[in-house]
Amino acid sequence: NAGVMQNPRHLVRRRGQEARLRCSPMKGHSHVYWYRQLPEEGLKFMVYLQKENIIDESGMPKERFSAEFPKEGPSILRIQQVVRGDSAAYFCASSPDGSIYGYTFGSGTRLTVV
Amino acid sequence: AQSVTQLDSQVPVFEEAPVELRCNYSSSVSVYLFWYVQYPNQGLQLLLKYLSGSTLVKGINGFEAEFNKSQTSFHLRKPSVHISDTAEYFCAVSNFGNEKLTFGTGTRLTIIP
Repeated sequence: NAGVMQNPRHLVRRRGQEARLRCSPMKGHSHVYWYRQLPEEGLKFMVYLQKENIIDESGMPKERFSAEFPKEGPSILRIQQVVRGDSAAYFCASSPDGSIYGYTFGSGTRLTVV
Repeated sequence: AQSVTQLDSQVPVFEEAPVELRCNYSSSVSVYLFWYVQYPNQGLQLLLKYLSGSTLVKGINGFEAEFNKSQTSFHLRKPSVHISDTAEYFCAVSNFGNEKLTFGTGTRLTIIP
């Protein structure tokens, strides 16, 4: 029973490029959350999605960031025109029913913008 | 709005000594409380959680935490630490009916042989 799978583990992008981060939730989980961890900081909520729906995107930066969770396939966090300040670890968590009881985190994607 | 304060950014402890990592929260409504551990270059692993009931919560790896509503605290303790406990520890809070976790800034626990 695989856990939450995130890929790639490490991603290097030049300023101005696009970054795509993938998250495959645990089997049977249809709720996905994205968090960002800036250097020397705790995790901060970005967005909460169910299949084909964005439920809460109150933590997403207004520009350049978007997220989706299609009917088939992984959830994608997309960052357009990356800047140095986007360098961070991005974690995905999934839950079977939207409650926090069953939250399971992936190992994260570490994005470095050069 | 809710917030979490972890006063100690770094805690060095000798091996086999006890440790307490402090966590205080603020919230206008009832909360759920969590402690997560993050080993280097890994994701977060749940140590323990308080949802309701007994205020003393036992978790994995010998850790426990006590919910103190009057002091709005949820301190993490272990009576005897091991080298393998070296990691970053995060306290987190969530309000009833809210799926988002609010994290503290973390405490880096370093075990000294």
